[in-house]
Amino acid sequence: TGVTQSPTHLIKTRGQQVTLSCSPISGHRSVSWYQQTPGQGLQFLFEYFSETQRNKGNFPGRFSGRQFSNSRSEMNVSTLELGDSALYLCASSQTGNSGNTIYFGEGSWLTVV
Amino acid sequence: SQQGEEDPQALSIQEGENATMNCSYKTSINNLQWYRQNSGRGLVHLILIRSNEREKHSGRLRVTLDTSKKSSSLLITASRAADTASYFCATDEYSGYALNFGKGTSLLVTP
Repeated sequence: TGVTQSPTHLIKTRGQQVTLSCSPISGHRSVSWYQQTPGQGLQFLFEYFSETQRNKGNFPGRFSGRQFSNSRSEMNVSTLELGDSALYLCASSQTGNSGNTIYFGEGSWLTVV
Repeated sequence: SQQGEEDPQALSIQEGENATMNCSYKTSINNLQWYRQNSGRGLVHLILIRSNEREKHSGRLRVTLDTSKKSSSLLITASRAADTASYFCATDEYSGYALNFGKGTSLLVTP
């Protein structure tokens, strides 16, 4: 099976928080998250390996994530703003090192109203 | 990080024709990956090409990489309506753990 994300769609109100979930491909230990919007395109949020964040993109502290011992990952966005409406994509690879093929899930569509 | 550039932004062709998309980047890379995205869906991995490779094939796809020009191209031969999608290139040019994406080429293949 591939990378699975949940939920697929959700609607939140400004000021609320949201948690998105990602299960990587079996055996993959690196999980990364991306935000896709029409204006900014695909932007890197953060990457985790063995429960440790190794890299973080240029996003405010309202965006956070974590990885569990089974490599599953969650990301959280607090105090939602209208501009957070986007497709959030999770990706996994074996080690996250350069040269690994990176596989993406179908994404979670977040609408903030 | 600055995004790479893809060219053209949009491409419209008829079934059976070939489609060529180009991607440029700014610094040195270890590898470059091409992805396809159908409207509103996730990214599907197409090909990974390493910096020491010049060309790679997968079915109807042919990818070239010119590190001296910091550019790559994706050729889809004998296009089908099902190839209609957005195509993105992504590099590791700014981080080993993050992909840097271009803005994508929107391909429309009409029957």
